[in-house]
Amino acid sequence: GENVEQHPSTLSVQEGDSAVIKCTYSDSASNYFPWYKQELGKGPQLIIDIRSNVGEKKDQRIAVTLNKTAKHFSLHITETQPEDSAVYFCAANYNQGGKLIFGQGTELSVKP
Amino acid sequence: ETGVTQSPTHLIKTRGQQVTLRCSSQSGHNTVSWYQQALGQGPQFIFQYYREEENGRGNFPPRFSGLQFPNYSSELNVNALELDDSALYLCASSSRLDSPDEQYFGPGTRLTVT
Repeated sequence: GENVEQHPSTLSVQEGDSAVIKCTYSDSASNYFPWYKQELGKGPQLIIDIRSNVGEKKDQRIAVTLNKTAKHFSLHITETQPEDSAVYFCAANYNQGGKLIFGQGTELSVKP
Repeated sequence: ETGVTQSPTHLIKTRGQQVTLRCSSQSGHNTVSWYQQALGQGPQFIFQYYREEENGRGNFPPRFSGLQFPNYSSELNVNALELDDSALYLCASSSRLDSPDEQYFGPGTRLTVT
């Protein structure tokens, strides 16, 4: 099947704390897992992605981990800042094609 | 900011009418995908176009159709609009040769059906 579950739906942290968002996918053939940040009134912005031949990827304050056996992947944001406040979506490609299946989104609020 | 542009920004239509939304892909990208994003939800795949042909379709009825032009720009057409078609319509471009699934989104078109 094609399904991506994302948790939590809302997340509130203090500035400087870390934030973790988790996703689970169902398609065993998925091999590409992007994360998008969507600010109000804008389209989703690709912030980091990981392919199935890699277990972890970092880019400054953000990192993504992938556990293929458990079909889990997670987004980690360290030293959060107010400008990190947005809705974050995880996604997985379906049947190794160009169709992305998105999670339901996590609304992250970083309080100064 | 990606190089993907969409028009119009906002649109209000009446139930039963038809609508055409437009998308210009990022330079160097030859594949365009369309998604529908309902309020508070993640984007849902409508279809993808590569070399002017539909290359994969999601669970959307035939009244959702599309076109891709030789310059890789694309149109999404929706006939017989229903109230549930009210959503943000997103276009994403990618390079079929390099990374067909690495998709960059435009700002979207907000469609309201009354």
